[in-house]
Amino acid sequence: DSGVTQTPKHLITATGQRVTLRCSPRSGDLSVYWYQQSLDQGLQFLIQYYNGEERAKGNILERFSAQQFPDLHSELNLSSLELGDSALYFCASSVVAGNTIYFGEGSWLTVV
Amino acid sequence: DQQVKQNSPSLSVQEGRISILNCDYTNSMFDYFLWYKKYPAEGPTFLISISSIKDKNEDGRFTVFLNKSAKHLSLHIVPSQPGDSAVYFCAASAKSGANSKLTFGKGITLSVRP
Repeated sequence: DSGVTQTPKHLITATGQRVTLRCSPRSGDLSVYWYQQSLDQGLQFLIQYYNGEERAKGNILERFSAQQFPDLHSELNLSSLELGDSALYFCASSVVAGNTIYFGEGSWLTVV
Repeated sequence: DQQVKQNSPSLSVQEGRISILNCDYTNSMFDYFLWYKKYPAEGPTFLISISSIKDKNEDGRFTVFLNKSAKHLSLHIVPSQPGDSAVYFCAASAKSGANSKLTFGKGITLSVRP
């Protein structure tokens, strides 16, 4: 158990819909990261927050957004969903940026 | 632009033998490197790391070697065990304060045959 909690574990939704994935980082970790893993793809970095502020952006679509709340938990919002958005979405956290990050179990999103 | 490359998608070794997983990087600013192990339907778990000030780091059966001039690192697992069968991701970061992030390779699937 890494200490990073993600909900929901599995989610099936229709195209065009909107979903929210939630993440609670390890106790004491200030940095939260979101990664996407599609079939046959590695871990694609989406976005990073540090103590509530956005710090780095990767290959995140404009239809996607995220935020980190004062209690340090984070949410990833995916809207106007397409079939290609079906993937495993991981949240990770670390004490400081650039250090070892610890991953949650992931949220399986299936868009039908 | 893939800054961290794991060119071999898979590797199969006999139990008890050595597994060598390779990783190349292109960004000369990277100064911290990690290996993660991932089982199906689970999140990646941290395995071992190395800072650019070192060329070797060992932890039990796992050793990571770093060749900065070649921009190459490798993970050695000795002896390999069937439970080591998983996907291994190489990752790198450039420590630049709060904006730093890890860049991952695409992973290599290791199969250890009994």
